[in-house]
Amino acid sequence: QSVLTQPPSVSAAPGQKVTISCSGSSSNMGNNFVSWYRQFPGAAPEVLIYDNDKRPSGIPDRFSGSKSGTSATLGITGLQTGDEADYYCGTWDSSLIVLFGGGTKLTVL
Amino acid sequence: QVQLVESGGGVVQPGRSLRLSCVASGFTFRNFGMHWVRQAPGKGLEWVAVIYYDGSNSYYADSVKGRFTISRDNSKSTIYLHMNSLRAEDTAVYYCARDRSRWTDWWGQGTLVTVSS
Repeated sequence: QSVLTQPPSVSAAPGQKVTISCSGSSSNMGNNFVSWYRQFPGAAPEVLIYDNDKRPSGIPDRFSGSKSGTSATLGITGLQTGDEADYYCGTWDSSLIVLFGGGTKLTVL
Repeated sequence: QVQLVESGGGVVQPGRSLRLSCVASGFTFRNFGMHWVRQAPGKGLEWVAVIYYDGSNSYYADSVKGRFTISRDNSKSTIYLHMNSLRAEDTAVYYCARDRSRWTDWWGQGTLVTVSS
């Protein structure tokens, strides 16, 4: 199991909003920033959110991130079929080791 | 344009060694830390190791500590992953990624390592 806990799957209809949760602990997420990655099948991951809530250039504002205590959330609005992918949260722990969540498969119904 | 290209993957027997390479271009390589991250078939991302921009420090996942070594040659804009005592559970696509102090912004396309007899 991953140290960071994500739901294995989420789904929503096109045009709707979905949130993906990521739960950690005080030794990792509680004291460090969170990032979010998207991975399409057969492709490398790409960053969507960094430092909890910042979007790299080129990432639309349909994607948002937030963090509270030892939990973080990725939000996606205006869902499109092209958003179907695996999503991962990431952070560091007190040992300077990088951690990833187990991943969440998003299905757009 | 930032580009990271991994190589060195292949089929290797359990207990043997392998060295992966990741050549970087499009940015000032010596200014950035670099990671190796792997993904077993059908599984999620697993972080493997990180090396500081100047090679002064490196950190490893418990699953590879003592068996894998990350290194870099800034004159060649290249990082390496030396993998010893390989096990079946090391079978994965190995990605290199550029560090941005708490997150990674650019990833290579990966190289597949298969550990099998």
